[in-house]
Amino acid sequence: GAVVSQHPSRVICKSGTSVKIECRSLDFQATTMFWYRQFPKQSLMLMATSNEGSKATYEQGVEKDKFLINHASLTLSTLTVTSAHPEDSSFYICSARRNDRFDYEQYFGPGTRLTVT
Amino acid sequence: AQRVTQPEKLLSVFKGAPVELKCNYSYSGSPELFWYVQYSRQRLQLLLRHISRESIKGFTADLNKGETSFHLKKPFAQEEDSAMYYCALAGAGFQKLVFGTGTRLLVSP
Repeated sequence: GAVVSQHPSRVICKSGTSVKIECRSLDFQATTMFWYRQFPKQSLMLMATSNEGSKATYEQGVEKDKFLINHASLTLSTLTVTSAHPEDSSFYICSARRNDRFDYEQYFGPGTRLTVT
Repeated sequence: AQRVTQPEKLLSVFKGAPVELKCNYSYSGSPELFWYVQYSRQRLQLLLRHISRESIKGFTADLNKGETSFHLKKPFAQEEDSAMYYCALAGAGFQKLVFGTGTRLLVSP
């Protein structure tokens, strides 16, 4: 149990276009999901906390108008990279906390590799 | 502020040798601490958490509040232990996890 999926796994887009990445909790409900960015051989950088039914909480330095987060249901959060540029190329990972557990464990998705040309 | 420090970027050992991956934290309250592991081309997954006090794949970690540490140990490393290991902290009232920078463990035959 506690599986998180992401779609797509890889995406290539042209500079200036927007890309949407989906994060789904497959077998549990998640009021809270998280979006991370990971650079090659580096740690995860938390971008934002996604809350179902309310606005996302962004970490300092993350542009909320560029990285739009929508937590539409208890099993789906989306990250849209707007007007993508080559420097947005990265590995984006989402995670989710289970609603039925009162702890801080996060279940991670497999990640999405974004390449902006 | 909450902070997690993993001082070693890379730890290289031979198969059968003991392993200790260091993790120190900074938090004024009672933390909840985790070790996550990321094998090559796989997603991040929980290895163990201090509140469960269990041993997973031979790894153990003890929370030392006096030294504010949560080092990960294994008495005999295996080649399949080669991976990236992240220490993470959650504090009461915080939804998010604070991750360390990670330590790459390389176990050679």
